[in-house]
Amino acid sequence: EVQVLESGGTLVQPGESLRLSCAASGFAFNLFAMTWVRQAPGKGLEWVSGISASGDRTYSADSVNGRFIISRDNSKNMVFLHMNSLRADDTAVYYCARVTPNNWFDAWGQGTPVTVSS
Amino acid sequence: QSALTQPASVSGSPGQSITITCTGTSSDIGGYNYVSWYQQHPGKAPKLMVHNVDRRPSGVSDRFSGSKSGTTASLIISGLQADDEAVYYCSSYRSTSTFYWVFGGGTSLTVL
Repeated sequence: EVQVLESGGTLVQPGESLRLSCAASGFAFNLFAMTWVRQAPGKGLEWVSGISASGDRTYSADSVNGRFIISRDNSKNMVFLHMNSLRADDTAVYYCARVTPNNWFDAWGQGTPVTVSS
Repeated sequence: QSALTQPASVSGSPGQSITITCTGTSSDIGGYNYVSWYQQHPGKAPKLMVHNVDRRPSGVSDRFSGSKSGTTASLIISGLQADDEAVYYCSSYRSTSTFYWVFGGGTSLTVL
C-alpha cells in the first residue's frame, strides 16, 4: 500500500526555521517526484514546492521561493521541507504528496500542522 | 502565481447532477491535459477523484467525470449523494518561465 506520512509540524515564532519530514512507503520512491502542498486555516490548497525523482530539479511557489527548500533522501525514502524566515502567513497544515509522471497527486499524507506565532 | 478560478459554492438535491467549472489560461489548463480534481471532506486530506482531465482512479465512482474545453475544465457529479458534500479543488500543471502546479480556490458542494 502506498503511504506517505508527514511529521515535524509545531508552533514556532516568526523568523524561526523548521524542517518538515515526509516518510514514503509501498512504492519505488526513487521513481516518483514528490511535492508539498499547504492549507491555511479555513482556506484552500496552495502548492508549495516540488522535487524531481532524482532530486536534481526543484520548484517552488513565489510565496516561499528563497525561504523554503525542498530536498529528498532516496536511500531513506524521505522528503524534507526546510522552512526559513517563517511568517504568520505560513501557518497551515502541510501535506506531502506523490506526483505521478502525468502531474497529478495520487497519494497524500494526513498533513502536519505548522503555526507561526509569537 | 494566481490560482485557477472556481465558483465558491454549488448545490444540488440528491439524485441530481452538478457541474463545477475551473478556468485557467493557455499556460495551464489550455496548454496541457494535466487537469486533476480533488475532494476534501472537513478535517481530511484531499482525495484524487479525476486526473488527466477525464480519467478516474480505480475505486472512484463513475458518477464522477471530467471534461475540458479550451481553458476551462469541468467536474461533473451525477446522481448526487449525501457523502458527495465536500470541497472540490481543481489543479493543473503550469508552465511559464518555470514549471509548477496551481490549484483552484475550491468549490463547496452542498447536497440539499
